[in-house]
Amino acid sequence: EAGVVQSPRYKIIEKKQPVAFWCNPISGHNTLYWYLQNLGQGPELLIRYENEEAVDDSQLPKDRFSAERLKGVDSTLKIQPAELGDSAVYLCASSYSGRGTGELFFGEGSRLTVL
Amino acid sequence: GDSVTQMEGPVTLSEEAFLTINCTYTATGYPSLFWYVQYPGEGLQLLLKATKADDKGSNKGFEATYRKETTSFHLEKGSVQVSDSAVYFCALKQGSQGNLIFGKGTKLSVKP
Repeated sequence: EAGVVQSPRYKIIEKKQPVAFWCNPISGHNTLYWYLQNLGQGPELLIRYENEEAVDDSQLPKDRFSAERLKGVDSTLKIQPAELGDSAVYLCASSYSGRGTGELFFGEGSRLTVL
Repeated sequence: GDSVTQMEGPVTLSEEAFLTINCTYTATGYPSLFWYVQYPGEGLQLLLKATKADDKGSNKGFEATYRKETTSFHLEKGSVQVSDSAVYFCALKQGSQGNLIFGKGTKLSVKP
């Protein structure tokens, strides 16, 4: 079974440029998460989707960050314009929230460097 | 709100030494508790979990017991290997639809 797939793995951009990250969750997982991981820190939630609906985006900086999950499957996270402080790893995770603990499965992450 | 506190690293041990990484949590109700591991250059992987008080999660020689009375979920391994070198994250989750809340992570380095 394929895991969570993210792309690109690495991205280097100049500040004020836009950037987008893509995530394909595990098949059948209705919940999708985007986390931000700064160097030496634990991941912090940016946004959580239940199917197509963003049910928790309270930590998403909406002035420059946006996300979408079309058809309740793939998701895209966009930053426009990027700032130096956005340099971090952006993690996507998915889970099935039907029953059980809803364990999260993570992708390898997209490492962003803003120059 | 809910939170997780884990011991700060880095932790450096010799091969075959005993490992303990402390984790305590603050949460309402009865969250599920997890340990995730991040090996160099790889994504986060679930190491073990426990869903109710007194449950013991175990995997790859690692163990952790859900202690409701002390709100703790300490990670232990009796004999570490060089291949255990990684960053370990303690986390909690409220129910099947909650968010996963992480501690800051503890970096473990095991020397031969």
